[in-house]
Amino acid sequence: DAEITQSPRHKITETGRQVTLACHQTWNHNNMFWYRQDLGHGLRLIHYSYGVQDTNKGEVSDGYSVSRSNTEDLPLTLESAASSQTSVYFCASSESWGPTNTGELFFGEGSRLTVL
Amino acid sequence: GQNIDQPTEMTATEGAIVQINCTYQTSGFNGLFWYQQHAGEAPTFLSYNVLDGLEEKGRFSSFLSRSKGYSYLLLKELQMKDSASYLCAVTGTNAGKSTFGDGTTLTVKP
Repeated sequence: DAEITQSPRHKITETGRQVTLACHQTWNHNNMFWYRQDLGHGLRLIHYSYGVQDTNKGEVSDGYSVSRSNTEDLPLTLESAASSQTSVYFCASSESWGPTNTGELFFGEGSRLTVL
Repeated sequence: GQNIDQPTEMTATEGAIVQINCTYQTSGFNGLFWYQQHAGEAPTFLSYNVLDGLEEKGRFSSFLSRSKGYSYLLLKELQMKDSASYLCAVTGTNAGKSTFGDGTTLTVKP
């Protein structure tokens, strides 16, 4: 069965360290997204990609970067982790929106990151 | 930009009906989604509306009025397992990406 997986599921790191969260999907979806979820803020979009070599900033992109070298993977990098980046991170993918596709999101199980 | 509002918390009784409202303001509109998220888990897709009216799917129904910028999710015959957060998400001019409301936490009591 197709799936979307994230790793690590839990990570504790120190302020200033670089952290990379992996996201791998086997749906063969063009679209991939990274969201963060904090209490009281719902899901906020960090970065997204509509295909290989395409990346775009979301509403809370400062301090984060992504790269898309193939269809399956969209790793999220925190260049210098800050305590404000303690959160739960969700990766998601979707088909391209169109007449027969709603563009519904398929989510990974989430990565809980704690920055001390 | 986009602004999406939904109540923070709701409580209902097992077996009852509950309606969760969502209002939105967007630049362009290409559909409204409802997702369910149990505590500690990932969101999962419930419903999608792009035209006005009611979409029914078992115990769950979702309604959309584009002219009013309004949607609701109706849950019938509530079960304890329906205790979860319900997320309203709107796709605007950029049809590929969704903006989420803060979610409504529903507690179902015996």
